[in-house]
Amino acid sequence: GDSVTQMEGPVTLSEEAFLTINCTYTATGYPSLFWYVQYPGEGLQLLLKATKADDKGSNKGFEATYRKETTSFHLEKGSVQVSDSAVYFCALMFSGGYNKLIFGAGTRLAVHP
Amino acid sequence: EPEVTQTPSHQVTQMGQEVILRCVPISNHLYFYWYRQILGQKVEFLVSFYNNEISEKSEIFDDQFSVERPDGSNFTLKIRSTKLEDSAMYFCASSTGQISNQPQHFGDGTRLSIL
Repeated sequence: GDSVTQMEGPVTLSEEAFLTINCTYTATGYPSLFWYVQYPGEGLQLLLKATKADDKGSNKGFEATYRKETTSFHLEKGSVQVSDSAVYFCALMFSGGYNKLIFGAGTRLAVHP
Repeated sequence: EPEVTQTPSHQVTQMGQEVILRCVPISNHLYFYWYRQILGQKVEFLVSFYNNEISEKSEIFDDQFSVERPDGSNFTLKIRSTKLEDSAMYFCASSTGQISNQPQHFGDGTRLSIL
């Protein structure tokens, strides 16, 4: 079935370090891809999205490129801040079918000063 | 910015009791969803709802679960007879439309603890 696989956490970085969180997907068609972020005690917030191959989503310094050939959507940021500490979820969604999101397991990021 | 609001933030219930989780979706949204996240596990889809009907449900959403939009603003999830394994964070979400690139907006969740 359709699924999303994320790198296991926690990922621990120092402030200003480069971040990569890997995400790969298995899907029978061509889904839209999303990154959601969950800050402590809060709900899921959409961070960025990409709807077709080679699209790049970006927001708040984070980027991810939809790679159909490798079925990947890796999240990157050039210089992380302490305030980026959160759990990051990769997800996919197909058009039609009333658009349920299929999530990865989440990756916890901890950034230290 | 409009938000999805969920109440209560934390619900503690005895096993076997009924529980109702409440959500107020964003006002111009038409599609509504419930997800759950068992502690330490991934976020899982439960059910989607449109035009006063269930659109899709997962295998988790058995006969103990029901959803309702009782008054045009609230969207509720009822668990008829709770089990220990129903303990989880429950998230409500809403979106404007069916097109796949319309993002779902999530509430902050209700933490349900079954004793």
